[in-house]
Amino acid sequence: QKEVEQNSGPLSVPEGAIASLNCTYSDRGSQSFFWYRQYSGKSPELIMFIYSNGDKEDGRFTAQLNKASQYVSLLIRDSQPSDSATYLCAVGTGGFKTIFGAGTRLFVKA
Amino acid sequence: DGGITQSPKYLFRKEGQNVTLSCEQNLNHDAMYWYRQDPGQGLRLIYYSQIVNDFQKGDIAEGYSVSREKKESFPLTVTSAQKNPTAFYLCASSPPGALRTEAFFGQGTRLTVV
Repeated sequence: QKEVEQNSGPLSVPEGAIASLNCTYSDRGSQSFFWYRQYSGKSPELIMFIYSNGDKEDGRFTAQLNKASQYVSLLIRDSQPSDSATYLCAVGTGGFKTIFGAGTRLFVKA
Repeated sequence: DGGITQSPKYLFRKEGQNVTLSCEQNLNHDAMYWYRQDPGQGLRLIYYSQIVNDFQKGDIAEGYSVSREKKESFPLTVTSAQKNPTAFYLCASSPPGALRTEAFFGQGTRLTVV
């Protein structure tokens, strides 16, 4: 059974701090990695994707991938209350299937 | 304005009743998906389709059926065989490419059994 594991949280950080969200996956053949943000009652929206080992930065977001450790993370710098949401890690295992983690709830305190 | 449209936003089903959730996309994507999300849980794959007139079961297909007669449309029927259908249902599509499996989601349908 291919799995994607995330800490369910909630992760609470003060406004302006760095939020660090982590994800591990079981399938070593996984090729693509995604972070989605989901506000309560809404559908997920893609915020980052990464395919290669290392870091990828986009504005306040940085995705980090370590395939040897089967670990992917998302850093959110200068966290804002509007960042409060559930963050879903998703892993593409090849072909057309993507496995989603259960999500980490983030709460940014003003 | 490209996107994925799901309807209805809210749906109520009586015991023993079949209901159909609509999903339409104008992104010209070949692949389409149906996911189910329960409170505090991730997305679980119900069915997916890579091309017209072809679809495959996901991890929790029992009690559900789909069709893919047009590229733009991928309706999901929740049958009476699905004993616990109350959930948030998400339709998604993805662009072609070996790595580009990121999903674009509709706004979801919240189904409740009454």
